[in-house]
Amino acid sequence: EAQVTQNPRYLITVTGKKLTVTCSQNMNHEYMSWYRQDPGLGLRQIYYSMNVEVTDKGDVPEGYKVSRKEKRNFPLILESPSPNQTSLYFCASSPGLTRGYTFGSGTRLTVV
Amino acid sequence: GDSVTQMEGPVTLSEEAFLTINCTYTATGYPSLFWYVQYPGEGLQLLLKATKADDKGSNKGFEATYRKETTSFHLEKGSVQVSDSAVYFCALISSYNFNKFYFGSGTKLNVKP
Repeated sequence: EAQVTQNPRYLITVTGKKLTVTCSQNMNHEYMSWYRQDPGLGLRQIYYSMNVEVTDKGDVPEGYKVSRKEKRNFPLILESPSPNQTSLYFCASSPGLTRGYTFGSGTRLTVV
Repeated sequence: GDSVTQMEGPVTLSEEAFLTINCTYTATGYPSLFWYVQYPGEGLQLLLKATKADDKGSNKGFEATYRKETTSFHLEKGSVQVSDSAVYFCALISSYNFNKFYFGSGTKLNVKP
């Protein structure tokens, strides 16, 4: 089944403890992206990648890192999480954006 | 810059009612337009899309027509079901910048039996 897989689905962590949210797609898509979804703020893009080793900042990149060493994987790294990064995170992939995104099921992160 | 504006929700309808969710956009050139749906606890799913003026996208009984003269892409369904309860997002990708999706703020639809 063609899909974008994120792990974990739910995560509660403490301020300052490094964490990684994994994202993997099995569709050979070149384009991948991370979004966060917050009430009243909609979807905001964090980082995106147009291909292996090619990444760029989205609208809200502060406090996040990404890497794209393989085409299928696009992990999101929070080096020192803070409470304002409590959010619902989505990974998405696309063969080309005019064809739309395929989204993962989301990761609900709580930083206390 | 490019942007998408959706009607604010929530929209509450009775089963079998007619649905319209308004979406208007601002963009240069000829953007591609999308509707996504997010069911509770899930990620967004592509519902339908249109890539040029006067195109009609359709899926699962939902329709939307790309109207360049009114810069609109309103979502319609003739008879909603309880299972259509979800949040609906209008989105566009610019014809000049293929690296960025612009999402609307989402419209929550509640359908009552």
